[in-house]
Amino acid sequence: AQSVTQLDSHVSVSEGTPVLLRCNYSSSYSPSLFWYVQHPNKGLQLLLKYTSAATLVKGINGFEAEFKKSETSFHLTKPSAHMSDAAEYFCVVSDLSNDMRFGAGTRLTVKP
Amino acid sequence: DAGVIQSPRHEVTEMGQEVTLRCKPISGHNSLFWYRQTMMRGLELLIYFNNNVPIDDSGMPEDRFSAKMPNASFSTLKIQPSEPRDSAVYFCASSFGGLAGDYEQYFGPGTRLTVT
Repeated sequence: AQSVTQLDSHVSVSEGTPVLLRCNYSSSYSPSLFWYVQHPNKGLQLLLKYTSAATLVKGINGFEAEFKKSETSFHLTKPSAHMSDAAEYFCVVSDLSNDMRFGAGTRLTVKP
Repeated sequence: DAGVIQSPRHEVTEMGQEVTLRCKPISGHNSLFWYRQTMMRGLELLIYFNNNVPIDDSGMPEDRFSAKMPNASFSTLKIQPSEPRDSAVYFCASSFGGLAGDYEQYFGPGTRLTVT
């Protein structure tokens, strides 16, 4: 069985400061890992994905995430937050059977 | 491409009524997923299809829920009879690929269902 835990339900940062959204996973196989973003009243959009290639994955809008097998983590980072980054972020783990497990989500607030 | 299309965008119905949600996946995609999102339970996978065949419906909450995919370009999620606890946003997503889990899913805008 696989699972994913997003360690913070809510993160608040000031515009221009770094963003860190934490995600830990559990999987019996080599997992695929994703980060999705959901803006208010919108569907989910893929930010980036890891599928056993480079451990540092770059995504859209300046986000990146690093796969650390020893720590079973896949934290999402961005050097400088923009107001438009305010949204809900979901970490997702998937194994060979297309069984995708979503984390509970982290709501990112960006203060001016 | 127009992306994943869902209809209606909003649905308000009374308890006991039948509700049908519709989804048109992206052309060429062969996997389709139905999700439900609520504040209490977050995002839940209800069912997914591969090549129009239901692969896993273990997330369907009970017999009141049913889903069909008669062809590659259309799927429905039906609730009969509806109950207030079914109020949620229902998302449809599609992807291209086999059963391997490393394919990006493209989400529709969702249907906000309110059952009174």
